[in-house]
Amino acid sequence: QKEVEQDPGPLSVPEGAIVSLNCTYSNSAFQYFMWYRQYSRKGPELLMYTYSSGNKEDGRFTAQVDKSSKYISLFIRDSQPSDSATYLCAMSALDSSYKLIFGSGTRLLVRP
Amino acid sequence: DTGVSQDPRHKITKRGQNVTFRCDPISEHNRLYWYRQTLGQGPEFLTYFQNEAQLEKSRLLSDRFSAERPKGSFSTLEIQRTEQGDSAMYLCASSSVSGANTEAFFGQGTRLTVV
Repeated sequence: QKEVEQDPGPLSVPEGAIVSLNCTYSNSAFQYFMWYRQYSRKGPELLMYTYSSGNKEDGRFTAQVDKSSKYISLFIRDSQPSDSATYLCAMSALDSSYKLIFGSGTRLLVRP
Repeated sequence: DTGVSQDPRHKITKRGQNVTFRCDPISEHNRLYWYRQTLGQGPEFLTYFQNEAQLEKSRLLSDRFSAERPKGSFSTLEIQRTEQGDSAMYLCASSSVSGANTEAFFGQGTRLTVV
């Protein structure tokens, strides 16, 4: 079983829809939670960064962390065709390396 | 552009050849990471440096792989005697660990194809 589980999709939504992307994890030591967006054949781009539990909002994006359930979410409001990409959740523990453990990514398609 | 830079962007090599990739991190970042990503998967950690010291290596990093960061600035990742299973995207990331801020920023990656 992987430490971080993420539904691969694809998830297809109409333009303007609210998108919900999720990850579950098994390691209770994870304290830092991130969402990256990756376009085809490009490097991951950091979207949201959260430390410990709670919500964080940035423009159309909201990240939620529920450590009691080991569950994190990313919401995208008013989705646009340019949001079509693979979304990767990543997390790290409070240790010396801060190396990231990634989910496998969810492919999102926003239809015009 | 002050982001993470990787070179080359693409590399095609024959099985058994050696290849070397370069990463230039964000200038003020003291940490540099290498990850490998295969199709349909998330990046997997290979190794990381704090300044010039290599502090952790994943068991994914076989003895054919070696990484260096000679002066705590750019880093190189060398793969010797490449195998077809080495075909992947090799990603470099950098961060500046201060307080609770551990955000890591990635380069565009080097896509390796071993034929």
